[in-house]
Amino acid sequence: AQKVTQAQTEISVVEKEDVTLDCVYETRDTTYYLFWYKQPPSGELVFLIRRNSFDEQNEISGRYSWNFQKSTSSFNFTITASQVVDSAVYFCALRSDTDKLIFGTGTRLQVFP
Amino acid sequence: KAGVTQTPRYLIKTRGQQVTLSCSPISGHRSVSWYQQTPGQGLQFLFEYFSETQRNKGNFPGRFSGRQFSNSRSEMNVSTLELGDSALYLCASSPGRAPDTQYFGPGTRLTVL
Repeated sequence: AQKVTQAQTEISVVEKEDVTLDCVYETRDTTYYLFWYKQPPSGELVFLIRRNSFDEQNEISGRYSWNFQKSTSSFNFTITASQVVDSAVYFCALRSDTDKLIFGTGTRLQVFP
Repeated sequence: KAGVTQTPRYLIKTRGQQVTLSCSPISGHRSVSWYQQTPGQGLQFLFEYFSETQRNKGNFPGRFSGRQFSNSRSEMNVSTLELGDSALYLCASSPGRAPDTQYFGPGTRLTVL
């Protein structure tokens, strides 16, 4: 069975702090895909990144970076110099080739000015 | 390019009624998936359609059904509404079959009284 665990229910930081959101996944498939989505108060899920299981390169996009480690089944997300606009619920998700998209329970990030 | 659109955005129904939600995917996308989001259960997969065929189905009772039209637009129907069906229903579209990245709409918030 596939599973995504986001152990951090809620994180609060002050603006300009760095913050890391943890994601641990379980799957028996050798080919799979990992995603991060952001859900602001408006409710719409916004796609942030997709990673294939055969590509372990870390990725940086502006203030966002992702650390994918197959050895620990983790796909962590770091926001550098957080801003108030980063406040949202962040979801990690997993999908195999022919299966459905499985979401973690989400981490609510609150960034205070 | 316009994003995924969902109608209506808000809906109030009473127990026992039925409801139909609509989703228009991003132009050119042929796959549509539906999710239910509640505070208690999180994001749960309902079903996925590709080229008018249901490709995957989640663990929901038969009261939940869906369909996809030849123009890729999709509808989901919930019959005999229960209080527990109150949720945010999210639709997502992707270009083709799994495991394309899914892009989400703003959701329909259903309240059952």
